[in-house]
Amino acid sequence: DAGVIQSPRHEVTEMGQEVTLRCKPISGHDYLFWYRQTMMRGLELLIYFNNNVPIDDSGMPEDRFSAKMPNASFSTLKIQPSEPRDSAVYFCASGLQGYNEQFFGPGTRLTVL
Amino acid sequence: AQSVTQLGSHVSVSEGALVLLRCNYSSSVPPYLFWYVQYPNQGLQLLLKYTSAATLVKGINGFEAEFKKSETSFHLTKPSAHMSDAAEYFCAVSLGFGGYQKVTFGTGTKLQVIP
Repeated sequence: DAGVIQSPRHEVTEMGQEVTLRCKPISGHDYLFWYRQTMMRGLELLIYFNNNVPIDDSGMPEDRFSAKMPNASFSTLKIQPSEPRDSAVYFCASGLQGYNEQFFGPGTRLTVL
Repeated sequence: AQSVTQLGSHVSVSEGALVLLRCNYSSSVPPYLFWYVQYPNQGLQLLLKYTSAATLVKGINGFEAEFKKSETSFHLTKPSAHMSDAAEYFCAVSLGFGGYQKVTFGTGTKLQVIP
């Protein structure tokens, strides 16, 4: 079975540009999570969805960040405009109701110059 | 609210030696506890989980962890380290009831295995 799929794996962009990260969760999973990982702050939960509905976005750092889940098999995390401090590895994870364990994708390494 | 504390951001062991990675949790109710492993340039992968059944939990790759309520600990062990165990390990906690409960991750412990 395919795991969580993220694209692109690497993204290099310039400050001020829009960045869109994509995620395809494991089929049948009803929870989807976006995390950011940096050396300084570790692993941070940005937002999570249940059945395509955003449940908790309290971890989204600023209005420059937005996330959508238009259907059960696709989610995006958008940063507009991007800033150098957004440079990090962004992970998508999915899970099933009642199990609490999460299955992580390989991550997108974002570099904002 | 719940939290986990991982003692030691870096741990070094010799190949063949015991691996012990420490995790202490704080939770107002009986928790679910997890250990994840992250290899370089990869996402986190579940090693094992405790969900209020047996207190000694066995996971993949020969790892195990013991839930000790009196010590609020969930330390990860492996009897004999292998070079392939070099990775970063994350302890995590969630509340143990009802629907989905937010998972809180620790800050991670990087394990170095010395040949």
